[in-house]
Amino acid sequence: KQEVTQIPAALSVPEGENLVLNCSFTDSAIYNLQWFRQDPGKGLTSLLLIQSSQREQTSGRLNASLDKSSGRSTLYIAASQPGDSATYLCAVANQAGTALIFGKGTTLSVSS
Amino acid sequence: NAGVTQTPKFRILKIGQSMTLQCTQDMNHNYMYWYRQDPGMGLKLIYYSVGAGITDKGEVPNGYNVSRSTTEDFPLRLELAAPSQTSVYFCASSYTLGTISTQYFGPGTRLLVL
Repeated sequence: KQEVTQIPAALSVPEGENLVLNCSFTDSAIYNLQWFRQDPGKGLTSLLLIQSSQREQTSGRLNASLDKSSGRSTLYIAASQPGDSATYLCAVANQAGTALIFGKGTTLSVSS
Repeated sequence: NAGVTQTPKFRILKIGQSMTLQCTQDMNHNYMYWYRQDPGMGLKLIYYSVGAGITDKGEVPNGYNVSRSTTEDFPLRLELAAPSQTSVYFCASSYTLGTISTQYFGPGTRLLVL
Protein backbone atom coordinates (compact mmCIF):
# COMPACT_ATOMS: atom_id res chain seq x y z
CA LYS A 1 0.00 0.00 0.00
CA GLN A 2 1.39 3.38 -1.00
CA GLU A 3 2.33 5.64 1.88
CA VAL A 4 3.40 9.26 1.56
CA THR A 5 5.45 10.94 4.28
CA GLN A 6 6.31 14.62 4.56
CA ILE A 7 9.13 15.98 6.67
CA PRO A 8 9.21 18.27 8.56
CA ALA A 9 5.63 18.52 9.86
CA ALA A 10 6.16 22.21 10.59
CA LEU A 11 8.79 24.78 9.66
CA SER A 12 9.36 28.40 10.71
CA VAL A 13 11.77 30.61 8.80
CA PRO A 14 12.53 34.33 8.53
CA GLU A 15 11.59 36.15 5.35
CA GLY A 16 14.09 35.81 2.53
CA GLU A 17 15.34 32.34 3.36
CA ASN A 18 15.49 29.57 0.80
CA LEU A 19 13.90 26.37 2.06
CA VAL A 20 13.26 22.76 1.13
CA LEU A 21 10.23 20.63 1.91
CA ASN A 22 10.59 16.88 1.65
CA CYS A 23 8.20 14.17 0.48
CA SER A 24 8.86 10.44 0.35
CA PHE A 25 6.72 7.59 -0.98
CA THR A 26 7.00 3.84 -0.54
CA ASP A 27 5.95 2.56 -4.00
CA SER A 28 7.90 3.95 -6.96
CA ALA A 29 5.18 2.83 -9.42
CA ILE A 30 3.53 6.23 -9.62
CA TYR A 31 1.93 8.09 -12.50
CA ASN A 32 2.83 11.54 -11.27
CA LEU A 33 3.49 13.59 -8.16
CA GLN A 34 1.80 16.85 -7.27
CA TRP A 35 2.45 19.59 -4.75
CA PHE A 36 -0.51 21.53 -3.38
CA ARG A 37 -0.85 24.55 -1.14
CA GLN A 38 -3.61 24.77 1.47
CA ASP A 39 -4.46 27.99 3.27
CA PRO A 40 -6.37 27.80 6.59
CA GLY A 41 -10.06 27.15 6.03
CA LYS A 42 -9.58 26.95 2.27
CA GLY A 43 -9.36 24.31 -0.39
CA LEU A 44 -6.21 23.10 -2.11
CA THR A 45 -4.41 24.92 -4.88
CA SER A 46 -2.19 22.96 -7.24
CA LEU A 47 1.37 24.30 -7.38
CA LEU A 48 3.33 21.86 -9.49
CA LEU A 49 2.71 18.53 -11.20
CA ILE A 50 5.63 16.28 -12.18
CA GLN A 51 4.98 13.41 -14.54
CA SER A 52 6.73 10.15 -13.67
CA SER A 53 9.05 10.57 -16.67
CA GLN A 54 10.15 14.04 -15.57
CA ARG A 55 12.82 15.03 -13.06
CA GLU A 56 11.67 18.50 -12.11
CA GLN A 57 9.19 21.32 -12.66
CA THR A 58 9.55 25.02 -11.99
CA SER A 59 7.04 27.78 -11.44
CA GLY A 60 8.31 31.18 -10.38
CA ARG A 61 10.12 30.81 -7.05
CA LEU A 62 9.07 27.17 -6.73
CA ASN A 63 11.03 24.18 -7.98
CA ALA A 64 9.96 20.58 -7.44
CA SER A 65 12.15 17.58 -8.13
CA LEU A 66 11.28 13.91 -8.42
CA ASP A 67 13.51 10.86 -7.92
CA LYS A 68 11.29 7.86 -8.49
CA SER A 69 13.99 5.29 -7.83
CA SER A 70 14.58 6.58 -4.32
CA GLY A 71 10.93 7.46 -3.71
CA ARG A 72 11.61 11.12 -2.99
CA SER A 73 10.50 14.56 -4.04
CA THR A 74 11.54 17.98 -2.80
CA LEU A 75 9.83 21.34 -3.08
CA TYR A 76 12.31 24.20 -3.09
CA ILE A 77 11.02 27.68 -2.28
CA ALA A 78 13.40 30.54 -3.06
CA ALA A 79 13.45 33.85 -1.20
CA SER A 80 10.51 33.00 1.04
CA GLN A 81 7.86 35.63 1.78
CA PRO A 82 5.20 35.92 4.53
CA GLY A 83 2.59 35.19 1.86
CA ASP A 84 4.13 31.74 1.44
CA SER A 85 2.85 30.78 4.89
CA ALA A 86 0.50 27.84 4.38
CA THR A 87 0.38 24.05 4.53
CA TYR A 88 2.07 22.29 1.63
CA LEU A 89 0.76 18.87 0.65
CA CYS A 90 2.48 16.28 -1.50
CA ALA A 91 0.36 13.71 -3.37
CA VAL A 92 1.25 10.81 -5.64
CA ALA A 93 -1.04 9.37 -8.28
CA ASN A 94 -1.21 5.58 -8.49
CA GLN A 95 -0.40 3.90 -11.77
CA ALA A 96 -4.05 3.13 -12.45
CA GLY A 97 -4.76 6.83 -12.30
CA THR A 98 -7.70 6.38 -10.01
CA ALA A 99 -6.41 7.98 -6.84
CA LEU A 100 -4.19 10.62 -5.34
CA ILE A 101 -2.52 9.55 -2.10
CA PHE A 102 -1.68 12.49 0.10
CA GLY A 103 0.91 13.10 2.76
CA LYS A 104 -0.05 14.88 5.99
CA GLY A 105 1.58 18.11 4.89
CA THR A 106 4.22 20.55 6.08
CA THR A 107 2.95 23.73 7.73
CA LEU A 108 5.23 26.63 6.80
CA SER A 109 5.38 29.92 8.66
CA VAL A 110 7.46 32.76 7.21
CA SER A 111 8.00 35.71 9.53
CA SER A 112 8.70 39.25 8.37
CA ASN B 1 -15.68 31.47 -13.50
CA ALA B 2 -16.69 29.91 -10.15
CA GLY B 3 -14.68 26.67 -10.49
CA VAL B 4 -15.74 24.11 -7.87
CA THR B 5 -18.37 25.21 -5.37
CA GLN B 6 -19.51 23.36 -2.26
CA THR B 7 -22.46 23.86 0.06
CA PRO B 8 -22.90 24.13 2.96
CA LYS B 9 -19.67 25.59 4.36
CA PHE B 10 -20.35 24.24 7.84
CA ARG B 11 -22.89 21.89 9.36
CA ILE B 12 -23.56 20.29 12.73
CA LEU B 13 -25.37 16.95 12.65
CA LYS B 14 -26.72 14.73 15.39
CA ILE B 15 -25.78 11.06 15.39
CA GLY B 16 -28.09 9.14 13.05
CA GLN B 17 -29.14 12.15 10.98
CA SER B 18 -28.61 12.24 7.26
CA MET B 19 -27.49 14.99 4.93
CA THR B 20 -26.25 15.67 1.43
CA LEU B 21 -23.11 17.66 0.69
CA GLN B 22 -23.45 19.48 -2.60
CA CYS B 23 -20.68 19.95 -5.17
CA THR B 24 -20.91 21.72 -8.51
CA GLN B 25 -18.24 22.51 -11.09
CA ASP B 26 -18.56 24.77 -14.11
CA MET B 27 -15.42 23.71 -15.99
CA ASN B 28 -17.08 20.87 -17.95
CA HIS B 29 -14.78 18.36 -16.27
CA ASN B 30 -15.71 14.72 -16.65
CA TYR B 31 -13.91 13.59 -13.51
CA MET B 32 -15.02 14.46 -10.01
CA TYR B 33 -13.88 13.35 -6.55
CA TRP B 34 -14.82 13.49 -2.89
CA TYR B 35 -12.12 13.56 -0.22
CA ARG B 36 -12.18 13.85 3.55
CA GLN B 37 -9.47 15.47 5.63
CA ASP B 38 -9.22 14.70 9.31
CA PRO B 39 -7.28 17.09 11.60
CA GLY B 40 -3.53 16.90 11.01
CA MET B 41 -3.95 14.33 8.28
CA GLY B 42 -3.76 14.23 4.51
CA LEU B 43 -6.79 13.85 2.29
CA LYS B 44 -8.35 10.45 1.69
CA LEU B 45 -10.47 9.60 -1.36
CA ILE B 46 -14.07 8.61 -0.60
CA TYR B 47 -15.63 8.24 -4.06
CA TYR B 48 -14.88 9.37 -7.56
CA SER B 49 -16.74 9.62 -10.86
CA VAL B 50 -15.47 9.42 -14.42
CA GLY B 51 -18.64 10.84 -15.94
CA ALA B 52 -22.38 11.13 -15.59
CA GLY B 53 -23.83 7.86 -14.35
CA ILE B 54 -20.46 6.31 -13.44
CA THR B 55 -19.06 6.27 -9.91
CA ASP B 56 -16.56 4.13 -8.02
CA LYS B 57 -15.28 3.69 -4.49
CA GLY B 58 -12.11 5.23 -3.19
CA GLU B 59 -10.12 4.38 -0.07
CA VAL B 60 -12.78 5.19 2.59
CA PRO B 61 -16.29 4.76 1.08
CA ASN B 62 -18.10 3.20 4.07
CA GLY B 63 -20.99 5.31 5.36
CA TYR B 64 -21.27 7.38 2.19
CA ASN B 65 -23.12 7.28 -1.11
CA VAL B 66 -22.77 9.30 -4.28
CA SER B 67 -24.61 9.85 -7.53
CA ARG B 68 -23.71 11.63 -10.75
CA SER B 69 -26.71 12.48 -12.87
CA THR B 70 -25.11 15.46 -14.62
CA THR B 71 -21.58 16.49 -15.58
CA GLU B 72 -21.75 19.48 -13.25
CA ASP B 73 -23.01 17.96 -9.99
CA PHE B 74 -21.60 15.28 -7.70
CA PRO B 75 -23.46 15.16 -4.35
CA LEU B 76 -22.19 13.13 -1.39
CA ARG B 77 -24.81 11.54 0.87
CA LEU B 78 -24.37 10.58 4.53
CA GLU B 79 -27.23 8.30 5.55
CA LEU B 80 -26.60 7.69 9.26
CA ALA B 81 -24.14 10.23 10.59
CA ALA B 82 -21.57 8.96 13.08
CA PRO B 83 -18.96 10.88 15.14
CA SER B 84 -16.23 9.23 13.02
CA GLN B 85 -17.54 11.21 10.05
CA THR B 86 -16.58 14.51 11.69
CA SER B 87 -14.16 15.92 9.13
CA VAL B 88 -13.65 18.47 6.40
CA TYR B 89 -14.96 17.29 3.05
CA PHE B 90 -13.44 18.47 -0.21
CA CYS B 91 -14.84 18.04 -3.67
CA ALA B 92 -12.52 18.21 -6.67
CA SER B 93 -12.71 17.92 -10.43
CA SER B 94 -10.27 17.37 -13.26
CA TYR B 95 -10.24 17.30 -17.04
CA THR B 96 -8.79 13.79 -17.13
CA LEU B 97 -8.57 10.99 -14.60
CA GLY B 98 -6.62 12.68 -11.85
CA THR B 99 -3.19 11.82 -13.07
CA ILE B 100 -2.39 13.72 -16.20
CA SER B 101 -4.16 16.92 -15.37
CA THR B 102 -4.36 18.65 -12.06
CA GLN B 103 -7.37 18.50 -9.78
CA TYR B 104 -9.25 21.67 -8.85
CA PHE B 105 -10.61 21.74 -5.32
CA GLY B 106 -13.61 23.39 -3.75
CA PRO B 107 -13.34 25.35 -0.46
CA GLY B 108 -14.57 22.43 1.65
CA THR B 109 -17.50 21.60 3.93
CA ARG B 110 -16.74 21.34 7.64
CA LEU B 111 -18.96 18.70 9.26
CA LEU B 112 -19.33 18.10 12.97
CA VAL B 113 -21.31 15.08 14.18
CA LEU B 114 -22.36 15.15 17.82
